[in-house]
Amino acid sequence: AQTVTQSQPEMSVQEAETVTLSCTYDTSESDYYLFWYKQPPSRQMILVIRQEAYKQQNATENRFSVNFQKAAKSFSLKISDSQLGDAAMYFCAYRSGHTGTASKLTFGTGTRLQVTL
Amino acid sequence: GAGVSQTPSNKVTEKGKYVELRCDPISGHTALYWYRQSLGQGPEFLIYFQGTGAADDSGLPNDRFFAVRPEGSVSTLKIQRTERGDSAVYLCASSPSGHGSYNEQFFGPGTRLTVL
Repeated sequence: AQTVTQSQPEMSVQEAETVTLSCTYDTSESDYYLFWYKQPPSRQMILVIRQEAYKQQNATENRFSVNFQKAAKSFSLKISDSQLGDAAMYFCAYRSGHTGTASKLTFGTGTRLQVTL
Repeated sequence: GAGVSQTPSNKVTEKGKYVELRCDPISGHTALYWYRQSLGQGPEFLIYFQGTGAADDSGLPNDRFFAVRPEGSVSTLKIQRTERGDSAVYLCASSPSGHGSYNEQFFGPGTRLTVL
């Protein structure tokens, strides 16, 4: 079974600064997808960024980028120019890419990000 | 609406009672997922529908939990003989299809279930 580990329960960053959230995962599969989701107090999960395992290039979405290290099974999220609206819980998630496998997401335990002035 | 909706937003019930939680997916999405999020934890998979059928129900914790999606759209999660340990936020998500790299799951706001 796949597992996702987020070892940072809480992180804090000053507005306009950069912060990196860590995520490691364990899998024996070669084809999979990785995601970072943001969950504000409204509870609604919002997709921040995704990475296909077969792509070597790290995904970027505006101020959000990932550092995907496949051999190390590491998938960290970097948030640049942090804004107050970035404050939320961030979850790392894994999904198998195998055809015929249910497309369920396996989540880590989350990192609470605080953004200070 | 354009997004996934869930009703009720909050549900308080007594131990031993029966509850139903409803999910309205995005129109046209064939895949529908239920997750349970306990306090301080990430969401945990419960069940996944492709159309009307449950393609994977391996996450349902026991036979008190059951879900249906009779017409391939709205889904209902049913919990019998509720226990205090069932207290959690129940999240629903939908996606255009079950497989493929663009299978983004869109989540609803969840139903917070409290069992007294």
